[in-house]
Amino acid sequence: SQQGEEDPQALSIQEGENATMNCSYKTSINNLQWYRQNSGRGLVHLILIRSNEREKHSGRLRVTLDTSKKSSSLLITASRAADTASYFCATSGGSYIPTFGRGTSLIVHP
Amino acid sequence: NAGVTQTPKFQVLKTGQSMTLQCAQDMNHEYMSWYRQDPGMGLRLIHYSVGAGITDQGEVPNGYNVSRSTTEDFPLRLLSAAPSQTSVYFCASSYSRREVSDTQYFGPGTRLTVL
Repeated sequence: SQQGEEDPQALSIQEGENATMNCSYKTSINNLQWYRQNSGRGLVHLILIRSNEREKHSGRLRVTLDTSKKSSSLLITASRAADTASYFCATSGGSYIPTFGRGTSLIVHP
Repeated sequence: NAGVTQTPKFQVLKTGQSMTLQCAQDMNHEYMSWYRQDPGMGLRLIHYSVGAGITDQGEVPNGYNVSRSTTEDFPLRLLSAAPSQTSVYFCASSYSRREVSDTQYFGPGTRLTVL
């Protein structure tokens, strides 16, 4: 069964706006990762946040982790049409085997 | 480096046929895994391997076999294809599954249709 669940399932915004998607999980984790998948392609790693970290940045990406609420958020600032993709969170617990959610489909309109 | 490669890209099978999906990586990664991706279901783990000669089952292993005779290759065998196995299959690898900071590298996928 999937550990992480992304919300919303779909998000449609205009270029230049910020996009925020969330991931909730049920059991304790060692780390949480975010991946992007362009249509018809494999997944590409975006960012990893460890359980003892609260926030990480990478370019226009900002990830937060709240272990007390068992949730994470991915913020993409100043979205571009090229950011159109599906975004997945993957959580790793004691076995370190990542478990993926169902993903958020992001459409950025030019 | 080629990264993670998968062949074939597309495959159509008839019910009952068998086939092998190939996966190879040239990054000397210990950990390799197979996922299937179905609409609305995200990625589900089929089998994984933590090194040559060591494999284990994931969430949905029924109907699939794997082996890991070398570090580089991790083929997935469909024993007797069923329409329920119609899916997109992804192979992934990482340096070691026990590194907290590990990143998984994904192949481009194999789109399989079983008629």
